[in-house]
Amino acid sequence: EAQVTQNPRYLITVTGKKLTVTCSQNMNHEYMSWYRQDPGLGLRQIYYSMNVEVTDKGDVPEGYKVSRKEKRNFPLILESPSPNQTSLYFCASSLLGGGRYEQYFGPGTRLTVT
Amino acid sequence: QKEVEQNSGPLSVPEGAIASLNCTYSDRGSQSFFWYRQYSGKSPELIMSIYSNGDKEDGRFTAQLNKASQYVSLLIRDSQPSDSATYLCAVNERYSTLTFGKGTMLLVSP
Repeated sequence: EAQVTQNPRYLITVTGKKLTVTCSQNMNHEYMSWYRQDPGLGLRQIYYSMNVEVTDKGDVPEGYKVSRKEKRNFPLILESPSPNQTSLYFCASSLLGGGRYEQYFGPGTRLTVT
Repeated sequence: QKEVEQNSGPLSVPEGAIASLNCTYSDRGSQSFFWYRQYSGKSPELIMSIYSNGDKEDGRFTAQLNKASQYVSLLIRDSQPSDSATYLCAVNERYSTLTFGKGTMLLVSP
């Protein structure tokens, strides 16, 4: 089954404790992206990657890191989480070629930072 | 800053009616347009994509695109209570980067 997976699905942590949220897709997509979703603010892009070792900032990159060492994986790293990073996080992926840019989303990770 | 605007709603329609959801976008160079459905606490699910002016139909859903007016719409015929969700409009900005609207909440009453 073609899908985007994320782990963990739920996470409660404390300020300053480094964490990683994993994202993996099995559709051989070049493009992968991380979003956060907050009430009233909609989906905001954090980082994206157009291929292995190619990453770029989205609209709200502060406090986050990413890496793309393999095509299928795109982990999101919070090195020193703060309460304002409490949010619902989504990973998404899509093809890059052919002008068809449908993005497919993972199930989401609900993060609470206390 | 590219913008995608949607009425936040809620849009309330009775079961069996047609729901009409609208979206405007600011970037005239946009080429790809998408509608996602999102249930509360769940991930966005792609339901329609449209790339050229006119209508595209898929089951009970019809997407309409008017690039001259920078306007995209989604019609849901024979609305069902299970259609109650937030509908996100997304517009291709560059490569695969999408700009999302904040969504319109649809409520379908039995």
